[in-house]
Amino acid sequence: SQELEQSPQSLIVQEGKNLTINCTSSKTLYGLYWYKQKYGEGLIFLMMLQKGGEEKSHEKITAKLDEKKQQSSLHITASQPSHAGIYLCGADIPGGTSYGKLTFGQGTILTVHP
Amino acid sequence: SAVISQKPSRDICQRGTSLTIQCQVDSQVTMMFWYRQQPGQSLTLIATANQGSEATYESGFVIDKFPISRPNLTFSTLTVSNMSPEDSSIYLCSVAGTGNYYEQYFGPGTRLTVT
Repeated sequence: SQELEQSPQSLIVQEGKNLTINCTSSKTLYGLYWYKQKYGEGLIFLMMLQKGGEEKSHEKITAKLDEKKQQSSLHITASQPSHAGIYLCGADIPGGTSYGKLTFGQGTILTVHP
Repeated sequence: SAVISQKPSRDICQRGTSLTIQCQVDSQVTMMFWYRQQPGQSLTLIATANQGSEATYESGFVIDKFPISRPNLTFSTLTVSNMSPEDSSIYLCSVAGTGNYYEQYFGPGTRLTVT
């Protein structure tokens, strides 16, 4: 089965600092999703990447998918306390009829100190 | 994007009872899924809710324990049957196939505690 490894598992930064979260797959990724979760709540969709080398940005968050489609990074510029939460990467489980079934990494807990 | 609501948002249930969770979407969607997030864990896919037919379950999940209905393109229910404390989790529905076809959105989750 597809396995996604996220690093680091947790991250504590000072407000204003930049940070990067990585998501690495043992297999080629057909669709890579980034979500943010506040403790005990649902997932907020951030971005989805499909093509090798693809990069998307929204406000201060940028996500990239490498050319080999096995690694993605999420970069936050000038972090704010509102960025705090759990960041999850998810990927389509390979298979022609399994579109939309996602397997997830274990999550990265981000704390931003004001 | 899609606006997804779940009911109840949380519940505390006794061992041996059943709870039905509802998922409502504000627009028709192609795909609906149910996930479980156990305490301190990431999400695990339970099943795909198929409109008008039986759900498709992932390995380790069975219909008798997690019966699912999807009577139309905007609504689905998940029942957690004969509950035990190990069923204490957050249950989330997700949808895909609206707007940008490949984007997948999640509901706010139902936090279930079984005592």
